[in-house]
Amino acid sequence: QQQVKQSPQSLIVQKGGISIINCAYENTAFDYFPWYQQFPGKGPALLIAIRPDVSEKKEGRFTISFNKSAKQFSLHIMDSQPGDSATYFCASISPGNQFYFGTGTSLTVIP
Amino acid sequence: EPEVTQTPSHQVTQMGQEVILRCVPISNHLYFYWYRQILGQKVEFLVSFYNNEISEKSEIFDDQFSVERPDGSNFTLKIRSTKLEDSAMYFCASKGDVYTEAFFGQGTRLTVV
Repeated sequence: QQQVKQSPQSLIVQKGGISIINCAYENTAFDYFPWYQQFPGKGPALLIAIRPDVSEKKEGRFTISFNKSAKQFSLHIMDSQPGDSATYFCASISPGNQFYFGTGTSLTVIP
Repeated sequence: EPEVTQTPSHQVTQMGQEVILRCVPISNHLYFYWYRQILGQKVEFLVSFYNNEISEKSEIFDDQFSVERPDGSNFTLKIRSTKLEDSAMYFCASKGDVYTEAFFGQGTRLTVV
C-alpha cells in the first residue's frame, strides 16, 4: 500500500516561477512531514518540515502548506532558480519513527 | 557540521557473494535506518534500529539482510547472498530523537554482476 502519494512525477518551471509539489498521506497517525531534496549521486537532504498542528511553514523561498482534514501537504518554491533543479521527496513519519517516502518529483528549472 | 558517513561509495560484487555496507551515524543519535533507492525510483525503507535492536523492517528486508551496531559507532547492513536485483543505492540515516529530522549519508552504490 502506498502510504504517501506524490505528484507530479516531473515538473518543468521557468526561472522565477513557482514550483508546486503535492503529497497526500493515508495514515492519520503520521505526525511529522518533512520534504527532502536530492541531487544526482547524493543522499536526500532535509529541506523543510512541518508538524500537523501548523497549517503553513515558510523558510526563505520554501513554504509547506498543510491541510490536516484533507491529509494533504504541499511544497511551494517561490522564485524558482536553476539551482533548485533536483528530485524532491515528501515523507510522512509514523509515531514508530518509520519514514514513508513519496515517489519523488523531478524538478527542472529552465533559465 | 556533523554528518553521516558511508563506506564504500561504490561496491561491485558478484551474484551470490556477501557484502557489508558500513555507516557511521552522527555520534549522539539514537535512531538508525537503512534505505535503498533503485536507479530513478523512490527511496524505499528497509529497516529501523533503536536501542540495539530492529524496531521495524519492511518486506524487502528478508532473511538475506541483517543489521548490526557492533561497536557503538558503526551501523552495518549485511546482504548474505546478493542478487542482481539488490543493485541500488543504499542510504544510511540517523536521527537524534523522535521529532528531529533524519540525516542521510551520501549512499553506497551497490552493483551486483
